[in-house]
Amino acid sequence: DGGITQSPKYLFRKEGQNVTLSCEQNLNHDAMYWYRQDPGQGLRLIYYSQIVNDFQKGDIAEGYSVSREKKESFPLTVTSAQKNPTAFYLCASSIVPGGPTEAFFGQGTRLTVV
Amino acid sequence: KQEVTQIPAALSVPEGENLVLNCSFTDSAIYNLQWFRQDPGKGLTSLLLIQSSQREQTSGRLNASLDKSSGRSTLYIAASQPGDSATYLCAARNQAGTALIFGKGTTLSVSS
Repeated sequence: DGGITQSPKYLFRKEGQNVTLSCEQNLNHDAMYWYRQDPGQGLRLIYYSQIVNDFQKGDIAEGYSVSREKKESFPLTVTSAQKNPTAFYLCASSIVPGGPTEAFFGQGTRLTVV
Repeated sequence: KQEVTQIPAALSVPEGENLVLNCSFTDSAIYNLQWFRQDPGKGLTSLLLIQSSQREQTSGRLNASLDKSSGRSTLYIAASQPGDSATYLCAARNQAGTALIFGKGTTLSVSS
């Protein structure tokens, strides 16, 4: 099946630890995105990438890092510098210009600081 | 900077009712607008995508309209069912390849 796979579904982080959230897509999409969702806040953009080896900061990039070494993969690292990392993280992908650019989302990773 | 607003934040209706969810955006120069559904604890499911050159899109009991001049989009749900209960999000894209900007959503509850 074509789609976006996020893993793990649930993740627990201790104070001061870095953790990496996985996002893989087999839709052959060029662009990939990471959003954070908090209750009552809607979705806020962390990072996005339109092409391999290139990415841009979103509205709330502080405390996060990403890489885009392969077209199908866009992992997100939540560093110890992120002061309030507990949230629901969503990864998305879409085709860059030339197509309808409809965005598709994974099932999310819920990160909790313990 | 584009801002997307959805009103109301929550809506409760009896089964069978037709309803309209509203979405407004501040910058009319959008590339496209997309409606999503989100069930509790789940990811987003794409419902409808409207390109800037289109006025509306339909899928089954759902119809989404776009009026760029007024900065508004509506999602019409016909003959609502309890299974339609979810949060509905709209998102605007300003340019091809850039990220979607989301509203905070409308949480719909349909009672049987």
